[in-house]
Amino acid sequence: NAGVTQTPKFRILKIGQSMTLQCAQDMNHNYMYWYRQDPGMGLKLIYYSVGAGITDKGEVPNGYNVSRSTTEDFPLRLELAAPSQTSVYFCASSWAFGEQYFGPGTRLTVT
Amino acid sequence: AQTVTQSQPEMSVQEAETVTLSCTYDTSESDYYLFWYKQPPSRQMILVIRQEAYKQQNATENRFSVNFQKAAKSFSLKISDSQLGDAAMYFCAYSDGNSGGSNYKLTFGKGTLLTVNP
Repeated sequence: NAGVTQTPKFRILKIGQSMTLQCAQDMNHNYMYWYRQDPGMGLKLIYYSVGAGITDKGEVPNGYNVSRSTTEDFPLRLELAAPSQTSVYFCASSWAFGEQYFGPGTRLTVT
Repeated sequence: AQTVTQSQPEMSVQEAETVTLSCTYDTSESDYYLFWYKQPPSRQMILVIRQEAYKQQNATENRFSVNFQKAAKSFSLKISDSQLGDAAMYFCAYSDGNSGGSNYKLTFGKGTLLTVNP
């Protein structure tokens, strides 16, 4: 099992550009999550999904979009990148109750 | 909304000694889960230990144990026989147990940076 994989590992964007962060899991988990981690802070939830075709906003969804067409994949789309979106992004997945498995993270810099 | 507070931004411990990291949380739910995650410099989030609120017995995993005080809403992590590899950021996290409402979303504290001195 690869677990949760994320691509790319690092990315630098210019202000106003767009990109998609990829996330995939091979554990057949229904629940998937996107978090961002700013320096000196804990993780904050951006979006989550409880199954294919079902997504919902988390605590900090502005500037992001998601889709979930399959159980395995949960991409995060950044439109019109802003410096405030400079962060480390983590994807996670889980069965129903609680324990989440995290990907290795994507470090994104917007300049 | 649930909140998680870690009051110790940094802690240090001597190798082979014991250290306790503090965490308090606020919730009105009776069914929930608590977690400690470790984040080493590699950034990978690693689950250390979990506790179900309905279980009175404190969880243990080898050198890691928790002191779960439900009435006080306190969830501390004890690391015994500290090793150099334990040096990391430690995050306390909370999840509601009711899938109908929360969808098991995690709420994290801000973390405690643990240094292990040789």
